[in-house]
Amino acid sequence: EPEVTQTPSHQVTQMGQEVILRCVPISNHLYFYWYRQILGQKVEFLVSFYNNEISEKSEIFDDQFSVERPDGSNFTLKIRSTKLEDSAMYFCASSETGTDSPLHFGNGTRLTVT
Amino acid sequence: AQSVTQPDIHITVSEGASLELRCNYSYGATPYLFWYVQSPGQGLQLLLKYFSGDTLVQGIKGFEAEFKRSQSSFNLRKPSVHWSDAAEYFCAAAASGGYNKLIFGAGTRLAVHP
Repeated sequence: EPEVTQTPSHQVTQMGQEVILRCVPISNHLYFYWYRQILGQKVEFLVSFYNNEISEKSEIFDDQFSVERPDGSNFTLKIRSTKLEDSAMYFCASSETGTDSPLHFGNGTRLTVT
Repeated sequence: AQSVTQPDIHITVSEGASLELRCNYSYGATPYLFWYVQSPGQGLQLLLKYFSGDTLVQGIKGFEAEFKRSQSSFNLRKPSVHWSDAAEYFCAAAASGGYNKLIFGAGTRLAVHP
């Protein structure tokens, strides 16, 4: 069964550094998402992306965050200047048609900001 | 504000025993409802979903869930738990119209005793 793959599985970075989290969605999917889960807290929606633009974003997704689909297969989340509170598990997800097809999640990237 | 509540943080059951995980939602209108499971080191896997119609929905791995509008609940059940069911279970909701922005509960961690 096709999978959403995320790399790396664990990323350690220093505060203030830029970090890029990478995702390869399922190939025929058109809608892409990032969610995050701070340790001990709920999984939270960050952003949805369709047709090369952001379709919705949460209040968490401020100017420090950006998303990009640089080619036909990758979907990236960039954090421009990481803060300690950005430490979390970041999940990428994709869906075929958006509103009426299920989200397929990747295994996540654990980001640790020191 | 829209919210999903899972009252039980941890549940321990014996293998072969029945299971019920609780989920309550607070939304303006009946949302779409989901249960996801996360095994250690894995992503979020969709167990089942409710959009409308029959209030008892069947999912994968022998799970079912019942939507009760009067109680704003969507509890997950399994008649006989297997040791491999040990995982974290998340209830989630989305505004009618689909999957685009899921709101998750805090999760219930299930332990299974042999």
